[in-house]
Amino acid sequence: DTGVSQDPRHKITKRGQNVTFRCDPISEHNRLYWYRQTLGQGPEFLTYFQNEAQLEKSRLLSDRFSAERPKGSFSTLEIQRTEQGDSAMYLCASRPHRGATNEKLFFGSGTQLSVL
Amino acid sequence: AQTVTQSQPEMSVQEAETVTLSCTYDTSESDYYLFWYKQPPSRQMILVIRQEAYKQQNATENRFSVNFQKAAKSFSLKISDSQLGDAAMYFCAYRGLNNNDMRFGAGTRLTVKP
Repeated sequence: DTGVSQDPRHKITKRGQNVTFRCDPISEHNRLYWYRQTLGQGPEFLTYFQNEAQLEKSRLLSDRFSAERPKGSFSTLEIQRTEQGDSAMYLCASRPHRGATNEKLFFGSGTQLSVL
Repeated sequence: AQTVTQSQPEMSVQEAETVTLSCTYDTSESDYYLFWYKQPPSRQMILVIRQEAYKQQNATENRFSVNFQKAAKSFSLKISDSQLGDAAMYFCAYRGLNNNDMRFGAGTRLTVKP
């Protein structure tokens, strides 16, 4: 068990560019979450996958944001036409469907996005 | 909508002493889960302790314990025998029984003084 991994750790981009982040959850976890965290705030829920199905999306997730989990394993989060307000840390988390740790979210270390 | 409030942006404690971090929440649900997460400078959120709302007994994990007051919608975290490694941001979080998203408070930055 290597935990939840996210790539890249840091991303600096110019306004208007597209960026894509990747998340690899813990292998037996079928539930995957994306959160956004800005400085001085707690994480805010963006979207949730159960296996490959995207079951919930926050209103925070504008149409410039899209997330996929094509095979129910890794997930990608793409932001098109980035804006300075998109600068934040993007956290991925996963949890299993059942078991002793079912209610616990396992987080990755996040991708820090800076939009110049 | 459920909200989670942490009214202490920063707290400090002397090493080996005890500190309590406050958290209140607002919900109309009767069954839910409450969590305290720790986020050290490495950024990775780590679960400290969790509480099921239907359990009256306060959760305890080694030096960490909670004071869960369901009627008051309060969920404070007590850290005993504070250690330097406890220094981090602490986030209180709520999740409804049938919800998938977890709501976080704004966090409390804990400093541990040697």
